[in-house]
Amino acid sequence: ELKVEQNPLFLSMQEGKNYTIYCNYSTTSDRLYWYRQDPGKSLESLFVLLSNGAVKQEGRLMASLDTKARLSTLHITAAVHDLSATYFCAVDIRGTYKYIFGTGTRLKVLA
Amino acid sequence: DAGITQSPRHKVTETGTPVTLRCHQTENHRYMYWYRQDPGHGLRLIHYSYGVKDTDKGEVSDGYSVSRSKTEDFLLTLESATSSQTSVYFCARSRGAPDSYEQYFGPGTRLTVT
Repeated sequence: ELKVEQNPLFLSMQEGKNYTIYCNYSTTSDRLYWYRQDPGKSLESLFVLLSNGAVKQEGRLMASLDTKARLSTLHITAAVHDLSATYFCAVDIRGTYKYIFGTGTRLKVLA
Repeated sequence: DAGITQSPRHKVTETGTPVTLRCHQTENHRYMYWYRQDPGHGLRLIHYSYGVKDTDKGEVSDGYSVSRSKTEDFLLTLESATSSQTSVYFCARSRGAPDSYEQYFGPGTRLTVT
Protein backbone atom coordinates (compact mmCIF):
# COMPACT_ATOMS: atom_id res chain seq x y z
CA GLU A 1 0.00 0.00 0.00
CA LEU A 2 1.28 3.44 -0.91
CA LYS A 3 1.59 5.47 2.26
CA VAL A 4 3.00 8.74 3.50
CA GLU A 5 3.21 8.97 7.26
CA GLN A 6 3.98 12.06 9.26
CA ASN A 7 4.83 12.34 12.90
CA PRO A 8 3.97 13.80 15.12
CA LEU A 9 0.38 14.53 14.09
CA PHE A 10 0.11 17.30 16.65
CA LEU A 11 2.88 19.41 18.05
CA SER A 12 2.65 22.09 20.65
CA MET A 13 5.89 23.90 21.31
CA GLN A 14 7.20 26.96 23.04
CA GLU A 15 8.52 29.93 21.13
CA GLY A 16 12.27 29.79 20.75
CA LYS A 17 12.47 26.00 20.79
CA ASN A 18 13.65 23.68 18.04
CA TYR A 19 11.79 20.67 16.72
CA THR A 20 11.66 18.26 13.80
CA ILE A 21 8.72 16.87 11.86
CA TYR A 22 9.26 13.53 10.14
CA CYS A 23 7.80 12.27 6.90
CA ASN A 24 8.18 8.60 5.94
CA TYR A 25 6.91 7.21 2.67
CA SER A 26 6.51 3.73 1.25
CA THR A 27 6.53 4.33 -2.47
CA THR A 28 9.54 4.69 -4.71
CA SER A 29 9.96 8.39 -5.26
CA ASP A 30 12.81 10.81 -5.78
CA ARG A 31 10.81 13.92 -5.10
CA LEU A 32 9.22 15.21 -1.96
CA TYR A 33 7.20 18.33 -1.26
CA TRP A 34 6.35 20.29 1.85
CA TYR A 35 3.28 22.49 2.11
CA ARG A 36 1.86 24.77 4.74
CA GLN A 37 -1.85 25.30 5.38
CA ASP A 38 -3.31 27.96 7.65
CA PRO A 39 -6.78 27.30 9.11
CA GLY A 40 -9.51 27.72 6.51
CA LYS A 41 -6.98 28.45 3.78
CA SER A 42 -5.41 26.70 0.84
CA LEU A 43 -2.04 24.97 0.69
CA GLU A 44 1.11 26.96 0.09
CA SER A 45 4.26 25.35 -1.27
CA LEU A 46 7.25 25.55 1.06
CA PHE A 47 9.89 23.26 -0.38
CA VAL A 48 10.45 20.99 -3.34
CA LEU A 49 13.16 18.38 -2.76
CA LEU A 50 14.20 16.78 -6.01
CA SER A 51 16.99 14.37 -5.17
CA ASN A 52 18.64 12.33 -2.48
CA GLY A 53 20.50 14.52 -0.02
CA ALA A 54 18.64 17.67 -1.03
CA VAL A 55 18.47 20.31 1.67
CA LYS A 56 16.54 23.55 1.47
CA GLN A 57 16.14 26.35 3.97
CA GLU A 58 13.79 29.28 4.23
CA GLY A 59 13.90 31.38 7.35
CA ARG A 60 13.42 29.17 10.40
CA LEU A 61 12.47 26.11 8.35
CA MET A 62 14.87 23.59 6.84
CA ALA A 63 13.85 20.51 4.89
CA SER A 64 15.97 17.53 3.88
CA LEU A 65 15.45 14.35 1.90
CA ASP A 66 16.97 10.86 2.21
CA THR A 67 15.52 8.78 -0.62
CA LYS A 68 17.32 5.62 0.51
CA ALA A 69 15.64 5.75 3.89
CA ARG A 70 12.45 7.16 2.31
CA LEU A 71 12.51 9.90 4.90
CA SER A 72 12.22 13.65 4.87
CA THR A 73 12.53 15.99 7.81
CA LEU A 74 11.26 19.51 8.37
CA HIS A 75 13.32 21.18 11.06
CA ILE A 76 12.05 24.23 12.88
CA THR A 77 14.62 26.49 14.50
CA ALA A 78 13.70 28.94 17.24
CA ALA A 79 9.98 28.68 16.62
CA VAL A 80 7.80 31.78 16.50
CA HIS A 81 4.02 32.06 16.75
CA ASP A 82 3.69 32.83 13.02
CA LEU A 83 4.81 29.29 12.23
CA SER A 84 1.61 27.90 13.73
CA ALA A 85 -0.10 26.01 10.89
CA THR A 86 -0.59 22.51 9.53
CA TYR A 87 2.34 21.13 7.54
CA PHE A 88 1.94 18.46 4.89
CA CYS A 89 4.51 16.41 3.07
CA ALA A 90 3.75 14.74 -0.24
CA VAL A 91 5.51 12.51 -2.74
CA ASP A 92 4.83 11.80 -6.35
CA ILE A 93 4.75 8.20 -7.51
CA ARG A 94 7.66 7.45 -9.79
CA GLY A 95 6.58 7.13 -13.40
CA THR A 96 3.30 8.96 -12.84
CA TYR A 97 2.13 12.44 -12.04
CA LYS A 98 0.12 11.26 -9.06
CA TYR A 99 0.85 12.62 -5.62
CA ILE A 100 0.25 11.12 -2.19
CA PHE A 101 -0.07 13.37 0.83
CA GLY A 102 0.64 12.72 4.46
CA THR A 103 -2.11 13.37 6.98
CA GLY A 104 -0.42 16.54 8.15
CA THR A 105 1.24 17.81 11.32
CA ARG A 106 -0.66 20.47 13.18
CA LEU A 107 1.85 22.80 14.79
CA LYS A 108 0.98 25.22 17.53
CA VAL A 109 3.66 27.59 18.77
CA LEU A 110 2.93 29.02 22.20
CA ALA A 111 4.12 32.44 23.20
CA ASP B 1 -4.71 34.02 -6.37
CA ALA B 2 -2.10 31.46 -7.41
CA GLY B 3 -3.29 31.60 -11.02
CA ILE B 4 -6.02 29.13 -10.16
CA THR B 5 -9.60 29.72 -9.05
CA GLN B 6 -12.47 27.50 -7.99
CA SER B 7 -16.20 27.97 -8.17
CA PRO B 8 -18.38 27.89 -6.26
CA ARG B 9 -16.48 28.48 -3.04
CA HIS B 10 -19.29 27.14 -0.91
CA LYS B 11 -22.20 24.90 -1.78
CA VAL B 12 -24.93 23.11 0.11
CA THR B 13 -26.81 20.45 -1.79
CA GLU B 14 -29.19 17.60 -1.10
CA THR B 15 -28.42 13.91 -1.27
CA GLY B 16 -28.99 12.51 -4.74
CA THR B 17 -28.50 15.72 -6.67
CA PRO B 18 -25.72 16.17 -9.23
CA VAL B 19 -23.05 18.74 -8.45
CA THR B 20 -20.32 20.21 -10.63
CA LEU B 21 -17.31 22.04 -9.29
CA ARG B 22 -15.17 24.14 -11.59
CA CYS B 23 -11.45 24.77 -11.54
CA HIS B 24 -9.93 27.43 -13.79
CA GLN B 25 -6.24 28.15 -14.28
CA THR B 26 -4.53 30.99 -16.13
CA GLU B 27 -1.01 29.53 -16.35
CA ASN B 28 -1.42 27.07 -19.21
CA HIS B 29 -0.17 24.21 -17.06
CA ARG B 30 -0.54 20.75 -18.48
CA TYR B 31 -1.50 18.92 -15.28
CA MET B 32 -4.54 19.56 -13.11
CA TYR B 33 -5.79 17.73 -10.05
CA TRP B 34 -8.80 17.36 -7.82
CA TYR B 35 -8.33 16.48 -4.15
CA ARG B 36 -10.63 16.21 -1.19
CA GLN B 37 -9.56 17.11 2.32
CA ASP B 38 -11.10 15.48 5.35
CA PRO B 39 -9.97 15.53 8.98
CA GLY B 40 -7.50 12.76 9.68
CA HIS B 41 -6.92 11.98 5.99
CA GLY B 42 -4.87 14.85 4.66
CA LEU B 43 -5.47 15.39 0.96
CA ARG B 44 -6.60 12.49 -1.17
CA LEU B 45 -6.42 12.49 -4.94
CA ILE B 46 -9.75 12.06 -6.71
CA HIS B 47 -8.83 12.45 -10.38
CA TYR B 48 -6.18 14.19 -12.36
CA SER B 49 -5.64 15.33 -15.93
CA TYR B 50 -2.46 15.21 -17.96
CA GLY B 51 -3.85 17.10 -20.93
CA VAL B 52 -7.03 18.10 -22.72
CA LYS B 53 -9.42 15.14 -22.66
CA ASP B 54 -6.78 13.04 -20.85
CA THR B 55 -7.71 12.06 -17.31
CA ASP B 56 -6.94 9.32 -14.83
CA LYS B 57 -8.27 8.09 -11.51
CA GLY B 58 -6.82 8.79 -8.12
CA GLU B 59 -7.23 6.87 -4.89
CA VAL B 60 -10.82 7.97 -4.11
CA SER B 61 -12.47 8.27 -7.52
CA ASP B 62 -15.70 6.31 -6.89
CA GLY B 63 -18.74 8.56 -7.28
CA TYR B 64 -16.81 11.26 -9.12
CA SER B 65 -16.19 12.04 -12.76
CA VAL B 66 -14.11 14.73 -14.42
CA SER B 67 -13.80 16.46 -17.73
CA ARG B 68 -11.23 18.68 -19.32
CA SER B 69 -12.24 20.17 -22.65
CA LYS B 70 -9.84 23.12 -22.46
CA THR B 71 -6.40 23.48 -20.91
CA GLU B 72 -7.64 26.06 -18.46
CA ASP B 73 -10.73 24.29 -17.10
CA PHE B 74 -11.07 21.08 -15.11
CA LEU B 75 -14.54 20.10 -13.93
CA LEU B 76 -15.39 17.69 -11.13
CA THR B 77 -18.87 16.17 -11.11
CA LEU B 78 -20.57 14.29 -8.34
CA GLU B 79 -23.15 12.31 -10.27
CA SER B 80 -25.44 11.78 -7.28
CA ALA B 81 -24.15 13.45 -4.16
CA THR B 82 -23.99 11.52 -0.89
CA SER B 83 -23.33 12.69 2.65
CA SER B 84 -19.93 10.98 2.56
CA GLN B 85 -18.92 13.47 -0.13
CA THR B 86 -19.24 16.37 2.28
CA SER B 87 -15.71 17.72 2.23
CA VAL B 88 -13.43 20.52 1.19
CA TYR B 89 -12.33 20.14 -2.41
CA PHE B 90 -9.10 21.55 -3.74
CA CYS B 91 -7.89 21.69 -7.26
CA ALA B 92 -4.27 22.16 -8.22
CA ARG B 93 -2.16 22.82 -11.28
CA SER B 94 1.34 21.72 -12.17
CA ARG B 95 3.57 22.45 -15.12
CA GLY B 96 4.99 18.96 -15.05
CA ALA B 97 8.13 19.91 -16.92
CA PRO B 98 11.29 18.03 -15.99
CA ASP B 99 12.30 20.81 -13.64
CA SER B 100 8.94 21.75 -12.21
CA TYR B 101 6.71 19.31 -10.39
CA GLU B 102 5.44 21.79 -7.85
CA GLN B 103 1.68 21.98 -7.36
CA TYR B 104 -0.22 25.25 -6.95
CA PHE B 105 -3.53 25.00 -5.18
CA GLY B 106 -6.81 26.78 -5.61
CA PRO B 107 -8.69 28.34 -2.68
CA GLY B 108 -10.94 25.33 -2.11
CA THR B 109 -14.67 24.61 -2.31
CA ARG B 110 -16.55 23.65 0.83
CA LEU B 111 -19.31 21.24 -0.13
CA THR B 112 -22.00 20.12 2.27
CA VAL B 113 -24.39 17.35 1.28
CA THR B 114 -27.49 17.21 3.47
